[in-house]
Amino acid sequence: ILNVEQSPQSLHVQEGDSTNFTCSFPSSNFYALHWYRWETAKSPEALFVMTLNGDEKKKGRISATLNTKEGYSYLYIKGSQPEDSATYLCAFMDAAGNKLTFGGGTRVLVKP
Amino acid sequence: NAGVMQNPRHLVRRRGQEARLRCSPMKGHSHVYWYRQLPEEGLKFMVYLQKENIIDESGMPKERFSAEFPKEGPSILRIQQVVRGDSAAYFCASSPELKQFFGPGTRLTVL
Repeated sequence: ILNVEQSPQSLHVQEGDSTNFTCSFPSSNFYALHWYRWETAKSPEALFVMTLNGDEKKKGRISATLNTKEGYSYLYIKGSQPEDSATYLCAFMDAAGNKLTFGGGTRVLVKP
Repeated sequence: NAGVMQNPRHLVRRRGQEARLRCSPMKGHSHVYWYRQLPEEGLKFMVYLQKENIIDESGMPKERFSAEFPKEGPSILRIQQVVRGDSAAYFCASSPELKQFFGPGTRLTVL
C-alpha cells in the first residue's frame, strides 16, 4: 500500500502572507508527482505535474518543488489571497504510469 | 474544448437498485480513470480504461462494480444492487498522456 501524506491537514493564512505545505511520497518506483487545487463543488484543477528530481514549477503566485530522492514536494503560495482558499491535493504516480495515489489534502483558508 | 463531463451530477438510489454513472472524456483523450471519494476519506483509484479495454482495475470492489469504455460513447461505471456503503462521490478523469483532467463528479446517495 502506497503512503502519500500531506501536512498540515489544514491551515489558516492571513491575506497577504505567504505559506507552504508538504507532500511526502515513496522515493522508490517514482514516475511523477501531481498537484491539484480543489474547491468545494468543483472539479479538481490540475496545477503541476513534476517528474524530475529538483524540478521547480510556477503558476502565478503558486510554485512547487520536488525532491524524489527523499520523497517530498513543497507547494508555496506567495501573498495569499481569499481566492486561494481551497484544498490542495498531491498525487503520486508510480513507474506503471497510470493511476494516481492521492494524499489527504491540505485545506487552506485565507482570511481577509 | 469542453472539459470532462459527468452525468448525472447527483443520483439517488434505493438499496438493491442499479446505478449507472457516465463520463465523457475531453476530446482527443483516450485514457479514462475512475476515482471514488467515500465520506471523510480521500480520493481512491478504482479503474483505468482505454477504448474498449480495462487496463487496471486493481481498485475496483470485486463484486457488483463494473466499468466500460466503448468505442463509441461515454465511459460507464455500473454498480449493481447498491448498498448504503456505496454512497460516495465518484470522479472521472481523462488524459492524453500524463496529466489527468477531472470531471465534476457524481454524488451517489443510497437510501
